[in-house]
Amino acid sequence: AQSVSQHNHHVILSEAASLELGCNYSYGGTVNLFWYVQYPGQHLQLLLKYFSGDPLVKGIKGFEAEFIKSKFSFNLRKPSVQWSDTAEYFCAVGPLRNTDKLIFGTGTRLQVFP
Amino acid sequence: GAGVSQSPSNKVTEKGKDVELRCDPISGHTALYWYRQSLGQGLEFLIYFQGNSAPDKSGLPSDRFSAERTGGSVSTLTIQRTQQEDSAVYLCASSFGTGYNSPLHFGNGTRLTVT
Repeated sequence: AQSVSQHNHHVILSEAASLELGCNYSYGGTVNLFWYVQYPGQHLQLLLKYFSGDPLVKGIKGFEAEFIKSKFSFNLRKPSVQWSDTAEYFCAVGPLRNTDKLIFGTGTRLQVFP
Repeated sequence: GAGVSQSPSNKVTEKGKDVELRCDPISGHTALYWYRQSLGQGLEFLIYFQGNSAPDKSGLPSDRFSAERTGGSVSTLTIQRTQQEDSAVYLCASSFGTGYNSPLHFGNGTRLTVT
């Protein structure tokens, strides 16, 4: 069965610090990978996604993520965080078949202090 | 345009009562998901509807939980004989559904509190 692990449960940073949130998945086939973000008081929304091609994908607000197939990882990065990046971040994996469900990790709560 | 709509936004119920949570997906979206978000548990998959296929119910935690989707649109999640551990935010999401070229669109959730 597929699974997603996010090892950082709570991350606290100062503005301008660099960010890397870990995501590892378990699935024995080709996958699609996603990062979703939930800002305080808002609903979950897509941050970025990987389907195929260039393993380094760029999303909104300066975020990027790198798919490393050999490590089953899809870590999220941002060179310089802002206070407005304070949110909960969820990694998700979904197999290619459209009859299969999207599975989310437990989330990482990011707090950025000015 | 209209997003995914969930109702009620908040529900407080007594232990042992039944509750129904409603989800109106985005028009034309064939895939519909229910997730449960509990503190420290992340997003727990509950059930997935895709077009006319049989739903994937593998995430439902017990037989007290059931869901249906009428006419390929509105979905209702029913929890019978609620327990305190059912307290959580129940999220509905929909997508266009052919593979994953369409991201999930989430509703604002229903916060269920069982007293």
